[in-house]
Amino acid sequence: EVHLLESGGGLVQPGGSLRLSCEASGLTFTDHGMTWVRQAPGKGLEWISGISESGGYSHYADSVQGRFTISRDNSKNTLFLQMKRLRAEDTAIYFCATQFGDYWGQGTLVTVSS
Amino acid sequence: DIQMTQSPFTLSASVGDRVTITCRASQSINFWLAWYQQKPGKAPKVLIYRESTLQSGVPSRFSGSGSGTDFTLTISSLQPDDLATYYCQQYYTYPWTFGQGTKVEL
Repeated sequence: EVHLLESGGGLVQPGGSLRLSCEASGLTFTDHGMTWVRQAPGKGLEWISGISESGGYSHYADSVQGRFTISRDNSKNTLFLQMKRLRAEDTAIYFCATQFGDYWGQGTLVTVSS
Repeated sequence: DIQMTQSPFTLSASVGDRVTITCRASQSINFWLAWYQQKPGKAPKVLIYRESTLQSGVPSRFSGSGSGTDFTLTISSLQPDDLATYYCQQYYTYPWTFGQGTKVEL
């Protein structure tokens, strides 16, 4: 059975940083591009970043470009999202998922507030 | 960026109804469209990809159609388990983008 388990969410002050992790099991991690999708409270889904199977290519939404960095460690079956210069509008549940949405984690909540 | 516009925002229907949700892209995305279902407090679940291909395990009452800029998700006979919010997503070009969602309620 496939599991994606996010961690690293929490409360952070505006301007602060946070690193999310997503540990994958039950699948061949290197067969899948990966994405991060977020959902602000009571709002819709927002695709924010994706990375290729090897980690050689990455893409970002305009809203996070230059502040967030996606990466992966294929030796540890883990996906990361480094978030810097956080803003109140970054408050959301952050989901990791395989590139085409076959598998999703349960999400981790990031709250940006003073 | 490609904008995805869904309609309606909310949809009230009864069990057994045929339900149709539309999604319009701001430019052609060929057939690179997926539909997701999300229930409260849960992660999204992919229903359809590549505009009309049913994800394994998804009931056949769900179907997708369209191409270019205009797409449709149809539920042929609404069931109580289908009460959820539905999102379209284009994956034709980065950044991938979602529609704003359509909430289906009784």
